[in-house]
Amino acid sequence: EPEVTQTPSHQVTQMGQEVILRCVPISNHLYFYWYRQILGQKVEFLVSFYNNEISEKSEIFDDQFSVERPDGSNFTLKIRSTKLEDSAMYFCASSKAQALGYEQYFGPGTRLTVT
Amino acid sequence: TQLLEQSPQFLSIQEGENLTVYCNSSSVFSSLQWYRQEPGEGPVLLVTVVTGGEVKKLKRLTFQFGDARKDSSLHITAAQPGDTGLYLCAGLSTDSWGKFQFGAGTQVVVTP
Repeated sequence: EPEVTQTPSHQVTQMGQEVILRCVPISNHLYFYWYRQILGQKVEFLVSFYNNEISEKSEIFDDQFSVERPDGSNFTLKIRSTKLEDSAMYFCASSKAQALGYEQYFGPGTRLTVT
Repeated sequence: TQLLEQSPQFLSIQEGENLTVYCNSSSVFSSLQWYRQEPGEGPVLLVTVVTGGEVKKLKRLTFQFGDARKDSSLHITAAQPGDTGLYLCAGLSTDSWGKFQFGAGTQVVVTP
């Protein structure tokens, strides 16, 4: 069964450093998403992406964040200058469409630890 | 922001018992999804409900979407230890096609 994959599974970085989290969405999916989950808190929406453009973003997704689909398979989330509060699980998700009743499928996540 | 409240936060039951977890909001959702999440892993989709009053069954799991599309419930019959996990509901707001709003989850523990 096709699945969303994410690398790395765990990333440790120092405050102020740039990180890139990578995702390979399900191959025939056209819509891509990033969510994050701070330890013990809710899963929070960050951004959705379609046709090489951001279609929606939350207030969390500020200028320090960017997303890119550099080739036909990868979808990346970049954090330019990490802060301690960026420590969280980051989940990539994808969907085939965005019509009523559509489904988002999540990857296993990347645990980001900022020290 | 449309808030989803899940209750209870934690539920511990014996194998064979039944349980129900709830997902409530004051807002209407276009659709609602239920996921199960294991520690350190991503949410795994269980079901999507779209129509008010809709009931879907997945083996021993029964999902219901409220008539007004503001709430949902998940009922597990004859729970097994393999049902242990964090159950999350996520609603798609009526003014957004991309952003699912998640509840905080109900941690279910089924002991043998």
